[in-house]
Amino acid sequence: DSGVTQTPKHLITATGQRVTLRCSPRSGDLSVYWYQQSLDQGLQFLIQYYNGEERAKGNILERFSAQQFPDLHSELNLSSLELGDSALYFCASSTDISYEQYFGPGTRLTVT
Amino acid sequence: TQLLEQSPQFLSIQEGENLTVYCNSSSVFSSLQWYRQEPGEGPVLLVTVVTGGEVKKLKRLTFQFGDARKDSSLHITAAQPGDTGLYLCAGSPIMEYGNKLVFGAGTILRVKS
Repeated sequence: DSGVTQTPKHLITATGQRVTLRCSPRSGDLSVYWYQQSLDQGLQFLIQYYNGEERAKGNILERFSAQQFPDLHSELNLSSLELGDSALYFCASSTDISYEQYFGPGTRLTVT
Repeated sequence: TQLLEQSPQFLSIQEGENLTVYCNSSSVFSSLQWYRQEPGEGPVLLVTVVTGGEVKKLKRLTFQFGDARKDSSLHITAAQPGDTGLYLCAGSPIMEYGNKLVFGAGTILRVKS
């Protein structure tokens, strides 16, 4: 158990809908990262938050947004969903000074 | 774009054999991490290397970071069926703000008993 929690475990929704994925980092970790894993693209970095502020951005679609709250949990919002958004979405956390990122169990999103 | 090329993609070996997985790039990384991932689960961190030329051992696993911090290898001695899984290398690109990780495509290892 990495100490990073993610909910829900599975999510099935229709095209055009909007969903919210939630992540709680390890106790004491200030940085939260979101990654997408698909069969054809592998694990891709989406976005990083540090202590409530956006720190780094990857190839995150404009339809996707994230935020980190004062209690340090984070949410990833996916809107106008397309079939191609079906993937595993992982959250990871780290202390600011450590390179080591610890991953949560993931949310499997299926868009039908 | 920083790319990490991982090889081989698939490896099927007998119990007791040795193997090496390679991770190469033309880019320099501040650190390089190796993860193992089971189907439907999150990647589990095995090791982090940060110094060029660094070698770390974790029981039967040996990890090496290249002198120029552009490549890394994972060597498993006397592989066991419990080593079966997906192995991923991931690097933190130097000179980039934040600590994002760039992942290799992964090596699927199957150890047969």
